[in-house]
Amino acid sequence: KQEVTQIPAALSVPEGENLVLNCSFTDSAIYNLQWFRQDPGKGLTSLLLIQSSQREQTSGRLNASLDKSSGRSTLYIAASQPGDSATYLCAVNGGSQGNLIFGKGTKLSVKP
Amino acid sequence: NAGVMQNPRHLVRRRGQEARLRCSPMKGHSHVYWYRQLPEEGLKFMVYLQKENIIDESGMPKERFSAEFPKEGPSILRIQQVVRGDSAAYFCASSTDGSKNIQYFGAGTRLSVL
Repeated sequence: KQEVTQIPAALSVPEGENLVLNCSFTDSAIYNLQWFRQDPGKGLTSLLLIQSSQREQTSGRLNASLDKSSGRSTLYIAASQPGDSATYLCAVNGGSQGNLIFGKGTKLSVKP
Repeated sequence: NAGVMQNPRHLVRRRGQEARLRCSPMKGHSHVYWYRQLPEEGLKFMVYLQKENIIDESGMPKERFSAEFPKEGPSILRIQQVVRGDSAAYFCASSTDGSKNIQYFGAGTRLSVL
């Protein structure tokens, strides 16, 4: 049974700092991995999707990497801003049906 | 191109009543997923549907919950005889392809059971 773990559960950093969020999964047989952002009381915004054949994806200040063999993904945020404050969710697509298995998220707070 | 639309955004029900949650997928998307987020918990998969078919309902509680995605109209998640433990945020996602493509999420419906 696939399990997804995100560490740390919460993170507080000063503005401008580069930071790394971690995601691990127990079954390396995945189709893809998706990073989302969730603001309080809001829905999910897709940030990056990495297919199983890819090693990383970049979008602006965000870079996500995938190491399938070790069951790990990282989300790197460069030059963090207060507007980056949110909960970041990692989700694995492990089957042909496409249903996602989520971690519990990392709550990020960027202080001005 | 409108995103995934869910309504209502907030729904209040008393114990024993029925709750109906609606989801209109993005234009051109025929795959719909429902997820539930309980307080202080991660999102959990409930059900996966294509037009007129339930493909995977392994995450649905065995009783009181049902889902449909008719040929015309939105997908509906129906909860009969709601209990306090059903209070949660219910999210719908849609995609063009069931396995490899990005899932786009709606803003969710927050159900409160009094």
